[in-house]
Amino acid sequence: AQSVTQLGSHVSVSEGALVLLRCNYSSSVPPYLFWYVQYPNQGLQLLLKYTSAATLVKGINGFEAEFKKSETSFHLTKPSAHMSDAAEYFCAAKEAGTALIFGKGTTLSVSS
Amino acid sequence: EAGVAQSPRYKIIEKRQSVAFWCNPISGHATLYWYQQILGQGPKLLIQFQNNGVVDDSQLPKDRFSAERLKGVDSTLKIQPAKLEDSAVYLCASSLSNLITGELFFGEGSRLTVL
Repeated sequence: AQSVTQLGSHVSVSEGALVLLRCNYSSSVPPYLFWYVQYPNQGLQLLLKYTSAATLVKGINGFEAEFKKSETSFHLTKPSAHMSDAAEYFCAAKEAGTALIFGKGTTLSVSS
Repeated sequence: EAGVAQSPRYKIIEKRQSVAFWCNPISGHATLYWYQQILGQGPKLLIQFQNNGVVDDSQLPKDRFSAERLKGVDSTLKIQPAKLEDSAVYLCASSLSNLITGELFFGEGSRLTVL
């Protein structure tokens, strides 16, 4: 069965530091992969998605993620954190004929 | 372009009472989803509609939850009777199609507290 695991429920970084949020998937075939961001009291917003066209995917707000089939990973990175990046981040996966499956989420805190 | 609209934003009820949530998807979006997001967890799909037909309701607790999408546009999600464990944010999302790569657009959610 397909599942998504996000390592670390809470990540804290300083402003200007590298952001790394980890995501691993479990699937019999490489699924389509997504990262969503949720700001307080708001809905989820798509950051980026992997659809097999390119393994390095660039998204909005300077975020990017790399699909590594050998590691079954799709980690989210940003070279330099900004205070406005503080939010909850969800990794999600989808196979043909199935619903979008979300991980439990990682809360990113950014300190000045 | 208007986003996905949901109401009410907040609702507090006592257990065994009933509650209904409403969702208006983005105009032209054929696919509509209801997700349940319990505190500390990722969203979990409750039901997916394609136009006004149900595509997937395998995780909908049908003894207490019901949902409909009349005329293939607006949708309502009802809980009757509510239990304490139903306390969660109920997210509505829509997409242009149910293609695997189709982006889901989410509403701000309806937060339910069951006392």
